[in-house]
Parts: sequence; structure tokens; C-alpha cells
Amino acid sequence: SAVISQKPSRDICQRGTSLTIQCQVDSQVTMMFWYRQQPGQSLTLIATANQGSEATYESGFVIDKFPISRPNLTFSTLTVSNMSPEDSSIYLCSVEDSEYNEQFFGPGTRLTVL
Amino acid sequence: GNSVTQMEGPVTLSEEAFLTINCTYTATGYPSLFWYVQYPGEGLQLLLKATKADDKGSNKGFEATYRKETTSFHLEKGSVQVSDSAVYFCALGYRGSTLGRLYFGRGTQLTVWP
Repeated sequence: SAVISQKPSRDICQRGTSLTIQCQVDSQVTMMFWYRQQPGQSLTLIATANQGSEATYESGFVIDKFPISRPNLTFSTLTVSNMSPEDSSIYLCSVEDSEYNEQFFGPGTRLTVL
Repeated sequence: GNSVTQMEGPVTLSEEAFLTINCTYTATGYPSLFWYVQYPGEGLQLLLKATKADDKGSNKGFEATYRKETTSFHLEKGSVQVSDSAVYFCALGYRGSTLGRLYFGRGTQLTVWP
């Protein structure tokens, strides 16, 4: 199984600022995913990040608001730009282990925007 | 399209009670089905999975059977413990060259009292 770490684990930010969340995996993976979990809600996919190509965004999410980097096969970042209180959520990255038909999730970043 | 519907929570049980959390799905193909668990303050962990019709996934005393005829994947446990208190998510994904994104239900909060 993959071990995934995220930084920061939590943050409290001011409206209008940006936060970059880092996701580190202990093995090389092709696909990484970024999800958002709003309070009391399920997980919503923001985008899929493949190394060496532009991220693919889901409906309702745009690159200007959630720019993603994927510089190598073990690392990705998600930036939440120009934040508003509506961005307060848990942000999770996940990776796919296609051999075992499973996805593994990071511990999440709990973001509060004031 | 693809979607997952879970029974509304929260669910509150006494220790040693029987647990059922209902999950039904709509899918365009032949998905794999998953139950994830999120303990307080932690990230998502895969609890069990089933990759084809009539498969039974099991782990930690939890079971779920992939029922294609009723498009269901209900989670059951014969005797819950206080330590089972968590949020449970049903999800589906597609096996193949890549599992791709997962589609999640809204989650069901389970609280077990001693």
C-alpha cells in the first residue's frame, strides 16, 4: 500500500489569501487525485493530476482557483487561491494502486477561512 | 451516470448491536465497490471492497456483498464496538487500466455507545 503525507495538516487563513497544500507519496504513482470534503458532506473530486501533463478539472472547478502542480511521480501540490469562507473544507489527495484496484488517501488538510 | 446513495445518518447503536448501512448505486458499466471509513480526526481508510457481482468483501468483522440485481452493497456487522464509531462512505470506481476517480456517497455517521 502507498503511504501518503500532506502538509499542512490544518490551517486558518484570511479571506483573499492563498494556501498551497503538499502531497507526498512514498512510491511512484501515475495518477493523483485531489478531493474536497466540505463540512458534513461527501468527497467531491476537484481534479486528476498526471505527471507531465496538465491537470484535468471536474465541472465546477477551474485552474485559476485551484492550480495544481505535479513535478514528479511522488509529489503534487494544490493551491487554493483567493480564498473565501466557502473554501473551508478538508482537502485530500489520493493515489491509485492499479495493481490492487485500490485508492489510498492522505490524512487531509483541514482549512478554515475567516 | 455514476452515483452512490447511502442511508441517511446519523446512526446510533449500543455496543454489540447489529449494524446495517444501506448503499445503492447507479453505474454505467461494471464498477468495483468500496466501503471507506473515516475515524475522528483521521483520513479515509479502505475498509473492504468487491470487484464483481456476488463478491463479498470483509474486514474487521464488517461484510458487504456486491448485489448486481439490486445494485446494492450494504455494509453489515454482527456486533459493533465503541471503536467502530466513525463515518462510513460507500464508493464505486472502475477497474481497468486505471481505476480512475471514485464516486462517493454522502457518508453515514455511526456512533456506538457502551
